[in-house]
Amino acid sequence: GIQVEQSPPDLILQEGANSTLRCNFSDSVNNLQWFHQNPWGQLINLFYIPSGTKQNGRLSATTVATERYSLLYISSSQTTDSGVYFCAVERVGYTGGFKTIFGAGTRLFVKA
Amino acid sequence: NAGVTQTPKFQVLKTGQSMTLQCAQDMNHEYMSWYRQDPGMGLRLIHYSVGAGITDQGEVPNGYNVSRSTTEDFPLRLLSAAPSQTSVYFCASSIERNTEAFFGQGTRLTVV
Repeated sequence: GIQVEQSPPDLILQEGANSTLRCNFSDSVNNLQWFHQNPWGQLINLFYIPSGTKQNGRLSATTVATERYSLLYISSSQTTDSGVYFCAVERVGYTGGFKTIFGAGTRLFVKA
Repeated sequence: NAGVTQTPKFQVLKTGQSMTLQCAQDMNHEYMSWYRQDPGMGLRLIHYSVGAGITDQGEVPNGYNVSRSTTEDFPLRLLSAAPSQTSVYFCASSIERNTEAFFGQGTRLTVV
Protein backbone atom coordinates (compact mmCIF):
# COMPACT_ATOMS: atom_id res chain seq x y z
CA GLY A 1 0.00 0.00 0.00
CA ILE A 2 0.92 3.65 -0.12
CA GLN A 3 3.55 4.80 2.35
CA VAL A 4 3.52 8.22 4.02
CA GLU A 5 6.69 9.37 5.71
CA GLN A 6 7.04 12.54 7.74
CA SER A 7 10.23 14.23 8.81
CA PRO A 8 11.63 15.11 11.17
CA PRO A 9 9.91 12.90 13.77
CA ASP A 10 10.70 15.38 16.55
CA LEU A 11 11.54 19.06 16.49
CA ILE A 12 12.37 21.54 19.24
CA LEU A 13 12.30 25.24 18.40
CA GLN A 14 12.97 28.44 20.23
CA GLU A 15 9.99 30.76 20.08
CA GLY A 16 10.27 32.98 17.01
CA ALA A 17 12.18 30.46 14.89
CA ASN A 18 11.01 29.17 11.50
CA SER A 19 10.67 25.52 10.49
CA THR A 20 9.80 23.25 7.60
CA LEU A 21 8.04 19.92 8.01
CA ARG A 22 8.09 17.42 5.18
CA CYS A 23 5.68 14.71 4.01
CA ASN A 24 6.73 12.19 1.37
CA PHE A 25 4.28 9.73 -0.17
CA SER A 26 5.06 6.72 -2.30
CA ASP A 27 2.27 6.86 -4.90
CA SER A 28 -0.13 9.26 -6.57
CA VAL A 29 -2.88 10.60 -4.33
CA ASN A 30 -6.26 12.28 -4.77
CA ASN A 31 -6.02 14.47 -1.71
CA LEU A 32 -3.55 15.66 0.90
CA GLN A 33 -4.28 17.39 4.18
CA TRP A 34 -2.22 18.73 7.06
CA PHE A 35 -3.53 18.51 10.62
CA HIS A 36 -2.36 19.83 13.96
CA GLN A 37 -3.03 17.84 17.12
CA ASN A 38 -2.68 20.08 20.14
CA PRO A 39 -1.39 18.87 23.51
CA TRP A 40 -4.99 18.20 24.60
CA GLY A 41 -5.53 15.79 21.72
CA GLN A 42 -7.78 17.94 19.52
CA LEU A 43 -7.20 17.54 15.78
CA ILE A 44 -7.49 20.66 13.67
CA ASN A 45 -7.40 20.77 9.89
CA LEU A 46 -4.72 23.19 8.69
CA PHE A 47 -4.72 22.77 4.94
CA TYR A 48 -6.47 20.81 2.26
CA ILE A 49 -3.77 20.91 -0.41
CA PRO A 50 -3.64 18.21 -3.10
CA SER A 51 -1.37 20.51 -5.13
CA GLY A 52 -0.02 24.03 -5.18
CA THR A 53 0.62 26.46 -2.36
CA LYS A 54 -1.64 27.89 0.33
CA GLN A 55 -1.03 30.30 3.17
CA ASN A 56 -2.92 30.95 6.38
CA GLY A 57 -1.27 33.50 8.64
CA ARG A 58 2.11 32.20 9.82
CA LEU A 59 1.53 28.81 8.22
CA SER A 60 1.88 27.88 4.60
CA ALA A 61 1.95 24.61 2.71
CA THR A 62 3.17 23.46 -0.67
CA THR A 63 2.40 20.17 -2.38
CA VAL A 64 4.29 19.01 -5.45
CA ALA A 65 2.14 16.09 -6.48
CA THR A 66 4.34 15.07 -9.41
CA GLU A 67 7.30 14.65 -7.05
CA ARG A 68 5.15 13.16 -4.27
CA TYR A 69 5.90 15.47 -1.40
CA SER A 70 4.37 18.25 0.63
CA LEU A 71 5.94 20.84 2.89
CA LEU A 72 4.46 22.71 5.84
CA TYR A 73 6.17 25.96 6.78
CA ILE A 74 5.80 27.51 10.21
CA SER A 75 7.18 31.01 10.55
CA SER A 76 7.78 32.96 13.77
CA SER A 77 6.83 29.94 15.86
CA GLN A 78 4.84 30.39 19.07
CA THR A 79 4.43 28.13 22.07
CA THR A 80 0.85 27.47 20.96
CA ASP A 81 2.24 25.80 17.82
CA SER A 82 3.41 22.90 19.98
CA GLY A 83 1.82 19.54 19.30
CA VAL A 84 1.93 16.93 16.58
CA TYR A 85 1.59 17.73 12.89
CA PHE A 86 0.12 15.04 10.67
CA CYS A 87 0.07 14.68 6.94
CA ALA A 88 -2.77 12.56 5.53
CA VAL A 89 -3.30 11.38 1.97
CA GLU A 90 -6.26 9.82 0.22
CA ARG A 91 -6.30 7.63 -2.80
CA VAL A 92 -8.81 5.52 -4.63
CA GLY A 93 -8.44 1.81 -3.92
CA TYR A 94 -8.54 -0.99 -6.45
CA THR A 95 -12.17 -1.81 -5.62
CA GLY A 96 -13.30 1.77 -6.16
CA GLY A 97 -13.40 2.69 -2.51
CA PHE A 98 -10.76 5.00 -1.15
CA LYS A 99 -8.35 4.99 1.72
CA THR A 100 -6.99 7.67 4.00
CA ILE A 101 -3.45 7.11 5.19
CA PHE A 102 -1.85 9.23 7.92
CA GLY A 103 1.83 9.70 8.45
CA ALA A 104 3.30 9.05 11.89
CA GLY A 105 3.53 12.79 12.55
CA THR A 106 6.13 15.37 13.52
CA ARG A 107 6.14 16.21 17.22
CA LEU A 108 6.94 19.92 17.69
CA PHE A 109 7.84 21.63 20.95
CA VAL A 110 8.30 25.39 20.94
CA LYS A 111 10.23 26.76 23.92
CA ALA A 112 9.41 30.18 25.36
CA ASN B 1 -21.91 25.13 16.89
CA ALA B 2 -21.51 21.56 18.11
CA GLY B 3 -19.57 20.27 15.07
CA VAL B 4 -18.59 16.63 15.61
CA THR B 5 -19.56 15.20 18.99
CA GLN B 6 -18.21 11.92 20.34
CA THR B 7 -19.41 10.08 23.42
CA PRO B 8 -18.17 8.87 25.79
CA LYS B 9 -14.84 10.66 26.26
CA PHE B 10 -13.40 7.84 28.36
CA GLN B 11 -14.34 4.18 28.69
CA VAL B 12 -12.90 1.12 30.39
CA LEU B 13 -14.08 -2.30 29.19
CA LYS B 14 -13.35 -5.83 30.22
CA THR B 15 -12.15 -8.27 27.58
CA GLY B 16 -15.11 -9.72 25.74
CA GLN B 17 -17.53 -6.92 26.48
CA SER B 18 -19.25 -5.07 23.66
CA MET B 19 -19.99 -1.38 23.38
CA THR B 20 -20.87 1.36 20.95
CA LEU B 21 -18.94 4.58 20.49
CA GLN B 22 -21.24 7.35 19.40
CA CYS B 23 -20.49 10.02 16.80
CA ALA B 24 -22.85 12.76 15.70
CA GLN B 25 -22.37 15.80 13.48
CA ASP B 26 -24.70 18.71 12.87
CA MET B 27 -23.09 20.09 9.71
CA ASN B 28 -25.07 17.94 7.24
CA HIS B 29 -21.84 16.30 6.10
CA GLU B 30 -22.15 13.30 3.83
CA TYR B 31 -18.76 11.76 4.59
CA MET B 32 -17.96 10.37 8.04
CA SER B 33 -15.14 8.17 9.24
CA TRP B 34 -13.65 6.47 12.28
CA TYR B 35 -9.94 6.32 13.13
CA ARG B 36 -7.89 4.86 15.90
CA GLN B 37 -4.72 6.50 17.15
CA ASP B 38 -2.00 4.41 18.76
CA PRO B 39 1.29 5.79 20.10
CA GLY B 40 3.86 6.37 17.37
CA MET B 41 1.57 5.12 14.59
CA GLY B 42 -0.48 8.14 13.62
CA LEU B 43 -4.16 7.60 12.80
CA ARG B 44 -5.49 4.56 11.01
CA LEU B 45 -8.83 4.43 9.21
CA ILE B 46 -11.27 1.83 10.59
CA HIS B 47 -14.48 2.39 8.61
CA TYR B 48 -15.99 5.18 6.59
CA SER B 49 -19.31 6.20 5.09
CA VAL B 50 -20.01 8.36 2.04
CA GLY B 51 -23.67 8.83 2.95
CA ALA B 52 -26.62 7.34 4.79
CA GLY B 53 -26.89 3.63 4.13
CA ILE B 54 -23.38 3.35 2.64
CA THR B 55 -20.35 2.15 4.59
CA ASP B 56 -17.01 0.61 3.69
CA GLN B 57 -13.92 -0.75 5.36
CA GLY B 58 -10.77 1.19 5.98
CA GLU B 59 -7.29 0.04 6.87
CA VAL B 60 -8.05 -1.78 10.15
CA PRO B 61 -11.73 -2.89 10.18
CA ASN B 62 -11.47 -6.22 12.01
CA GLY B 63 -13.35 -6.32 15.31
CA TYR B 64 -15.48 -3.27 14.50
CA ASN B 65 -18.88 -2.75 12.91
CA VAL B 66 -20.55 0.41 11.69
CA SER B 67 -23.88 1.50 10.30
CA ARG B 68 -25.19 4.78 8.93
CA SER B 69 -28.95 5.02 9.20
CA THR B 70 -28.99 8.83 9.24
CA THR B 71 -26.75 11.57 7.87
CA GLU B 72 -26.03 12.82 11.40
CA ASP B 73 -24.96 9.65 13.20
CA PHE B 74 -22.18 7.12 12.61
CA PRO B 75 -21.78 4.74 15.58
CA LEU B 76 -18.82 2.38 15.92
CA ARG B 77 -19.49 -0.98 17.56
CA LEU B 78 -16.91 -3.15 19.25
CA LEU B 79 -18.30 -6.66 19.11
CA SER B 80 -16.03 -8.37 21.66
CA ALA B 81 -13.44 -6.03 23.10
CA ALA B 82 -9.80 -7.13 23.15
CA PRO B 83 -6.77 -5.48 24.82
CA SER B 84 -5.42 -4.76 21.32
CA GLN B 85 -8.34 -2.35 20.87
CA THR B 86 -7.05 -0.10 23.62
CA SER B 87 -6.60 3.17 21.77
CA VAL B 88 -7.91 6.66 21.22
CA TYR B 89 -10.76 6.72 18.73
CA PHE B 90 -11.57 9.72 16.56
CA CYS B 91 -14.62 10.37 14.44
CA ALA B 92 -14.39 12.81 11.55
CA SER B 93 -16.76 14.31 9.02
CA SER B 94 -16.53 16.36 5.85
CA ILE B 95 -18.95 17.68 3.26
CA GLU B 96 -17.86 14.95 0.91
CA ARG B 97 -14.76 13.01 0.05
CA ASN B 98 -11.63 15.02 -0.63
CA THR B 99 -12.73 18.05 1.38
CA GLU B 100 -11.70 19.55 4.70
CA ALA B 101 -12.20 17.13 7.60
CA PHE B 102 -13.49 18.05 11.06
CA PHE B 103 -12.66 15.83 14.01
CA GLY B 104 -14.41 15.05 17.25
CA GLN B 105 -12.66 15.30 20.63
CA GLY B 106 -11.84 11.61 20.73
CA THR B 107 -12.75 8.65 22.95
CA ARG B 108 -10.02 7.10 25.06
CA LEU B 109 -10.81 3.39 25.37
CA THR B 110 -9.00 0.97 27.65
CA VAL B 111 -9.67 -2.77 27.47
CA VAL B 112 -8.46 -4.75 30.46
